[in-house]
Amino acid sequence: EVQLLASGGGLVQPGGSLRLSCVGSGFTFNTYWMNWVRQTPEKGLEWVANINPDGSQKTFVDSVKGRFTMSRDNVKNSVTLQMNSLRVEDTAVYYCAGWGAGSYWGQGIVVTVSS
Amino acid sequence: DVVLTQSPLSLPVTLGQPASLSCRSSQGLVHPNGNTNLDWFQQRPGQSPRRLIYHVSYRDSGVPDRFSGSESGTEFTLKISRVEAEDVGIYYCVQYAHWPHTFGQGTKLEI
Repeated sequence: EVQLLASGGGLVQPGGSLRLSCVGSGFTFNTYWMNWVRQTPEKGLEWVANINPDGSQKTFVDSVKGRFTMSRDNVKNSVTLQMNSLRVEDTAVYYCAGWGAGSYWGQGIVVTVSS
Repeated sequence: DVVLTQSPLSLPVTLGQPASLSCRSSQGLVHPNGNTNLDWFQQRPGQSPRRLIYHVSYRDSGVPDRFSGSESGTEFTLKISRVEAEDVGIYYCVQYAHWPHTFGQGTKLEI
């Protein structure tokens, strides 16, 4: 069974940091592009960042460039999103998603940025 | 950024009847490798998105054959031949031919 299990969300004040993690199983993790996608009622689904299978290429949406970083560990089948200098507008449900021969999504994790 | 415009935003349907959902792109979505990078996702209430169709018209494993995808230029269509109750949800198109990858605003399918 394919699983992507995300963790690390929560409530943080503006300017703070959070680290999201996602562990995959049941598929060949090291052949998949891994992505973070967020969703809000106002903006819908928004692609945040992705990383290629060997971790050598990372891309970020403009609104998070310089604040978010992404990494992966193909031994542990994990991917992380380090979110710094968080803003109120980063509040969303964050999904990790694997894109390759299949498309697999985690359960969604809530990030709330509020004072 | 590539803008994907979905229509209609809300689609009331009758069980057993067909449904057609549209997604119009502001730019061509053909990747240099020759694939057209447009997928369709279904998001049922309270669930994560699930991919139904990739590269315009290829069904994912386990997706019923009542779902089909097609294209005409920069207009893409998802068709459901006979709507079933489990099809209720929001349907999104997404393009990954250009960065940033972008989603349409979704079509809410209601019985």
